[in-house]
Amino acid sequence: GENVEQHPSTLSVQEGDSAVIKCTYSDSASNYFPWYKQELGKRPQLIIDIRSNVGEKKDQRIAVTLNKTAKHFSLHITETQPEDSAVYFCAASISSGYSTLTFGKGTMLLVSP
Amino acid sequence: ETGVTQTPRHLVMGMTNKKSLKCEQHLGHNAMYWYKQSAKKPLELMFVYSLEERVENNSVPSRFSPECPNSSHLFLHLHTLQPEDSALYLCASSQDPTGGSDEQYFGPGTRLTVT
Repeated sequence: GENVEQHPSTLSVQEGDSAVIKCTYSDSASNYFPWYKQELGKRPQLIIDIRSNVGEKKDQRIAVTLNKTAKHFSLHITETQPEDSAVYFCAASISSGYSTLTFGKGTMLLVSP
Repeated sequence: ETGVTQTPRHLVMGMTNKKSLKCEQHLGHNAMYWYKQSAKKPLELMFVYSLEERVENNSVPSRFSPECPNSSHLFLHLHTLQPEDSALYLCASSQDPTGGSDEQYFGPGTRLTVT
């Protein structure tokens, strides 16, 4: 089955800095890679996703890159703000009518003012 | 937020009790999921229902029994649980990607404590 590794487990940055979180996956058949943000005591929410037919996707301060050959993908947050503080999860799946996501262990991002 | 709701939000039960968790989605989706979220572990997929049929069961112990009576409701029946089953149980739903997005919408979760 799929195995997703996520690093780092914790990341502390100053407000305005950039943050990068990296994930690797094992199943070359995976074709859908979402990133979820979970604030303390709240539900996970999708912030951005990418499919295997593109190498990069950007949405304002958030971007995701995908390297299919190396089987890794990364989340980039620029100009971080304190409200970006949360746990971020990457996931991988084969999309086929429903998506059985395999999640990474999560990265706790702390943005200090 | 009313897209995916879960009840109860908190549950404390003894190892000999039987209880059920309920999930309801108001998004018109046709796939529903149960996840277990424990401290310092990844979100673990437990069950997947697509079009009301169970399609995935990730080797979950039989003390967890899912039920999906229709596309809007999902239950997780619990019996003779162990203390290590204490966790946050999250329900999610998604639309068939052929007609929409892969995005999974999560409920707020049920915090379960087994004593």
